[in-house]
Amino acid sequence: QQQVKQSPQSLIVQKGGIPIINCAYENTAFDYFPWYQQFPGKGPALLIAIRPDVSEKKEGRFTISFNKSAKQFSLHIMDSQPGDSATYFCAAQGRGYGANNLFFGTGTRLTVIP
Amino acid sequence: DTGVSQNPRHKITKRGQNVTFRCDPISEHNRLYWYRQTLGQGPEFLTYFQNEAQLEKSRLLSDRFSAERPKGSFSTLEIQRTEQGDSAMYLCASSVGQGNEKLFFGSGTQLSVL
Repeated sequence: QQQVKQSPQSLIVQKGGIPIINCAYENTAFDYFPWYQQFPGKGPALLIAIRPDVSEKKEGRFTISFNKSAKQFSLHIMDSQPGDSATYFCAAQGRGYGANNLFFGTGTRLTVIP
Repeated sequence: DTGVSQNPRHKITKRGQNVTFRCDPISEHNRLYWYRQTLGQGPEFLTYFQNEAQLEKSRLLSDRFSAERPKGSFSTLEIQRTEQGDSAMYLCASSVGQGNEKLFFGSGTQLSVL
């Protein structure tokens, strides 16, 4: 059972565009929602994270929007660059069983065309 | 390089053989995690150590898998009697803290079982 559902599977945008990646979850025990970026041949690297007490968080060109009532969150990349081409994973972590591990989405392969 | 180090980077083995992977975490990190990632999927939690104690194992983890972290430093993951379904990228991550902290991933060990 996929704890975190992610879409789209792949995304192609022009340089300067604003790709948006969406994730949804069901487990209300989740209280930490990070996004990881992964380049080919490398492990995932933390990009930005949010907790459900805020609806938005910005770090540089990356923004997370969080909708607690809908149990959805999304990543927006402003002014996207070819160097942003990578696979992006949303994840969730919470209390109780699995409190020490992240549940990852299936990933979105982003391609930014110059 | 002070990041998480994993060896070997690639391992090809025949079905039924045993394999062992090593992970050297960032030196001051007390928490160590093993994840498995298959093509087109997000990382999936396998097990977690705090110092030398293995505190959590995934319910999906077969008894053919065993992990150790002697003296709370490096860790090894052993797979006995490998099966073709074990083919995946095995990722190690480390962190310091009490939860919801940033995970630092290594570049992984790619296992191919023929």
